[in-house]
Amino acid sequence: DGGITQSPKYLFRKEGQNVTLSCEQNLNHDAMYWYRQDPGQGLRLIYYSQIVNDFQKGDIAEGYSVSREKKESFPLTVTSAQKNPTAFYLCASSKQIPGGPSYEQYFGPGTRLTVT
Amino acid sequence: QQQVKQSPQSLIVQKGGIPIINCAYENTAFDYFPWYQQFPGKGPALLIAIRPDVSEKKEGRFTISFNKSAKQFSLHIMDSQPGDSATYFCAATGWETSGSRLTFGEGTQLTVNP
Repeated sequence: DGGITQSPKYLFRKEGQNVTLSCEQNLNHDAMYWYRQDPGQGLRLIYYSQIVNDFQKGDIAEGYSVSREKKESFPLTVTSAQKNPTAFYLCASSKQIPGGPSYEQYFGPGTRLTVT
Repeated sequence: QQQVKQSPQSLIVQKGGIPIINCAYENTAFDYFPWYQQFPGKGPALLIAIRPDVSEKKEGRFTISFNKSAKQFSLHIMDSQPGDSATYFCAATGWETSGSRLTFGEGTQLTVNP
């Protein structure tokens, strides 16, 4: 089955602890993205990576970090510096096509993080 | 200029009705406009997308209408069903200004009553 997996589905942490969210894809997609979704709100881009070993900040990168050591994997670390980390986190990927970008982004099932 | 404004915030229709969700953008460099459907607790799923060289695109019961001069696009759901009850997001991007980044609207919560 091809797709994007995020684990775990639910995650609970104490305030002050760093936590890493997993995102893996077997679609052979080049680009990967992390979004944050708060109740009743749209999707806000945290970080994205268009190729291995390279990534760019999105609109709300403060308090988050990422790595892209493998094409299939794009883990997100929520650090203790993130002031309001409780949210639904979504990972997505898209394939770059020759001659131009491919904008079709496909999303994983999400991880709901609760920090108390 | 990177914003996408979506309306209404919520929408209730009867089964068989035709809900219409509207989005407006400012950036004329945007050249790809997708719609996503999200059920509670799930990730968004790509529903349908359009590029500005056409004014309408249909896939099954879902239709996108695109007005380039007005910088607006809308989603119509024909013969809506209770199973269509979900949150719908529009988005936009353009390689020159955004690379592969999508800018999302704030979402519309659709309820289709039986």
